[in-house]
Amino acid sequence: DQQVKQNSPSLSVQEGRISILNCDYTNSMFDYFLWYKKYPAEGPTFLISISSIKDKNEDGRFTVFLNKSAKHLSLHIVPSQPGDSAVYFCAAPGTYKYIFGTGTRLKVLA
Amino acid sequence: DVKVTQSSRYLVKRTGEKVFLECVQDMDHENMFWYRQDPGLGLRLIYFSYDVKMKEKGDIPEGYSVSREKKERFSLILESASTNQTSMYLCASSRTGGQPNQPQHFGDGTRLSIL
Repeated sequence: DQQVKQNSPSLSVQEGRISILNCDYTNSMFDYFLWYKKYPAEGPTFLISISSIKDKNEDGRFTVFLNKSAKHLSLHIVPSQPGDSAVYFCAAPGTYKYIFGTGTRLKVLA
Repeated sequence: DVKVTQSSRYLVKRTGEKVFLECVQDMDHENMFWYRQDPGLGLRLIYFSYDVKMKEKGDIPEGYSVSREKKERFSLILESASTNQTSMYLCASSRTGGQPNQPQHFGDGTRLSIL
C-alpha cells in the first residue's frame, strides 16, 4: 500500500514559470513532510520540510503547501530555473524510517 | 556538512557472487539506511539500523543482509547476486532525538549491475 503517492512521473515547465509538484498521502497520522531533490548519479538532498501544524513553509524560491483535509501537499518553485531539473521526492517519516513517494521528474526548459 | 560516503560509484558483478556495498558517515548519526532506486518505483527501503549491531528489515529485505559493527559504518550484503538486483543503491544516515524528524543525508549511490 503506497502511503505517499506522487501521481505525476514527469513535468516540463518553461524557465521563469512556476513549477508545481504534487504529493498525496493516506496516513493522517503523518505529522511532518519533506521534499528531496535528486540529480542523476547523485544521492537525494534535503530541500524543504513542513510540519503538520503549518499550512505553508517558504525557503527562497521554494514553497511547500500542506492541505491536511485533502491529505495533499505541493511544492512550488518560482521562478523555475534550468538547474532545478531533477527528480523530486516527497517523504513522510515513520518510526526511524521514511516513506518516499515514487518521484516526479521535473524538466525546466530554457 | 554531513558526509555519507559509499565505497563504489559503479560495480559490475556476476550472478551468484557475494557482493558487499559499504557506507560510512562522519557525523555520528545513530540511524543508517539502505535503499534501492528503480525507475517508476522510487526509493524502497531494504534495511535500516538505529544502533550498532541493531538492524531492522525494510520493505524489500529478501536477498539482502546488513552488518553494523561500528556506528559510522553500515554494510549491505547481497548473499548470492541475481540479475533482478541490478539497481542504484543509496545509503543514508540521520540523527535520532533533538529536533524531530531529522532529514536523512544520502550518499551519491552505487550503481550495481549483475550480469
